[in-house]
Amino acid sequence: EIVLTQSPGTLSLSPGERATLSCRASQSVSSSFLAWYQQKFGQAPRLLFYGSSGRATGVPDRFSGSGSGTSFTLTINRLEPEDVAVYYCQQYDKSPLTFGGGTKVEIK
Amino acid sequence: EVKLVESGGGLVQPGESLRLSCAASGFTFSDYPMTWVRQAPGKGLEWVSAISGSGGSTYYADAVRGRFTISRDNSKNTLYLQINSLRADDTAVFYCAKHGIRQQLASPLQYWGRGTLVTVSS
Repeated sequence: EIVLTQSPGTLSLSPGERATLSCRASQSVSSSFLAWYQQKFGQAPRLLFYGSSGRATGVPDRFSGSGSGTSFTLTINRLEPEDVAVYYCQQYDKSPLTFGGGTKVEIK
Repeated sequence: EVKLVESGGGLVQPGESLRLSCAASGFTFSDYPMTWVRQAPGKGLEWVSAISGSGGSTYYADAVRGRFTISRDNSKNTLYLQINSLRADDTAVFYCAKHGIRQQLASPLQYWGRGTLVTVSS
């Protein structure tokens, strides 16, 4: 099973700052079959990125995804209060599909 | 508009069984793999099971294999999850999700339902 490790566990930043979230895989994820999801409190997860860097419909361009192999990054530029959420990475390369433990983004 | 609506959750006693349903609309249901994901209170997301568009192929997390059974009725546009021998650590919100690419399990979870809460307690 591919284990995904996200860091940091919690990120506390001021509005307008840049958030950098990391997701590392225990083995290479083929064809960058790596997705990012945003989950706001009390809501279902929402797809943000697929294929490591493909932006899903409606995702603001302040968000960007990158990476390949075993190292992936989600970046949020110009952090806004509405970005407060837990962010999860997920690999869909091999079964079992697996999620990272999540990074909680807070506003100072 | 894609809609996924889960139902069937509730309060059950340890050892009992439950069948969750996910009613789908807004897309050609039989074309897409579907997945169940659960989330224990205050915890992260855990992939549980997936099924191909035809229903001919099923996949399970090791933690649930043997107790959970995923199935689908393409004539009713409905996904199911049968859960047997429920345990306290099965307490979670269960989400159904639609994969993003026709006939391809190796695709992201493009749409999610709002979830149904299963609480296992005596």
